[in-house]
Amino acid sequence: AQSVTQLDSQVPVFEEAPVELRCNYSSSVSVYLFWYVQYPNQGLQLLLKYLSGSTLVESINGFEAEFNKSQTSFHLRKPSVHISDTAEYFCAVKGSGAGSYQLTFGKGTKLSVIP
Amino acid sequence: GAGVSQSPSNKVTEKGKDVELRCDPISGHTALYWYRQSLGQGLEFLIYFQGNSAPDKSGLPSDRFSAERTGGSVSTLTIQRTQQEDSAVYLCASSFRQDPAYEQYFGPGTRLTVT
Repeated sequence: AQSVTQLDSQVPVFEEAPVELRCNYSSSVSVYLFWYVQYPNQGLQLLLKYLSGSTLVESINGFEAEFNKSQTSFHLRKPSVHISDTAEYFCAVKGSGAGSYQLTFGKGTKLSVIP
Repeated sequence: GAGVSQSPSNKVTEKGKDVELRCDPISGHTALYWYRQSLGQGLEFLIYFQGNSAPDKSGLPSDRFSAERTGGSVSTLTIQRTQQEDSAVYLCASSFRQDPAYEQYFGPGTRLTVT
């Protein structure tokens, strides 16, 4: 079984400032890691994912996340946020073994970008 | 191409009534998932279908909940004798295969309000 902890339920940040959204997981097996974003009144969209290889993964809109196996973390970062980044962000984990398909989500972090 | 669609987008029902929520997955996706997003519990896995195999119902919260998938495509989630605690956004997702490396694409959700 896996679990995901997102330490901050809300993160306010000024426009053009950097931001880090924290995610820690626990699992007894190897995992795949995901960040999803949910804009107001919209569905979940995949932002980025770690499956294997380089521990630093990037999205097309400037976000990046680093998989740290020793600290069981997958924190999401952006060096300079925009108003349009205001959304709720969910970290999720899935076992990498055969038969693993269920995503386990954290409770989400609401990012509010202040003009 | 078309994404995952869900209907209705909003449903208000009286306590004790039955409701049906529909999901149309992306064409060609063999795996289909239902999740529930509620204020108190975050995002929870409900049920998973893979092709014509028997579904994994391990996440269904009670026997009032059931789901079926006809012809390996459209799925219906049924909640009988609705209770106020069933109020939530019900999300459907599909993926090309059940392999954990394949991304799950989410629909916009059905917001269920039980009065």
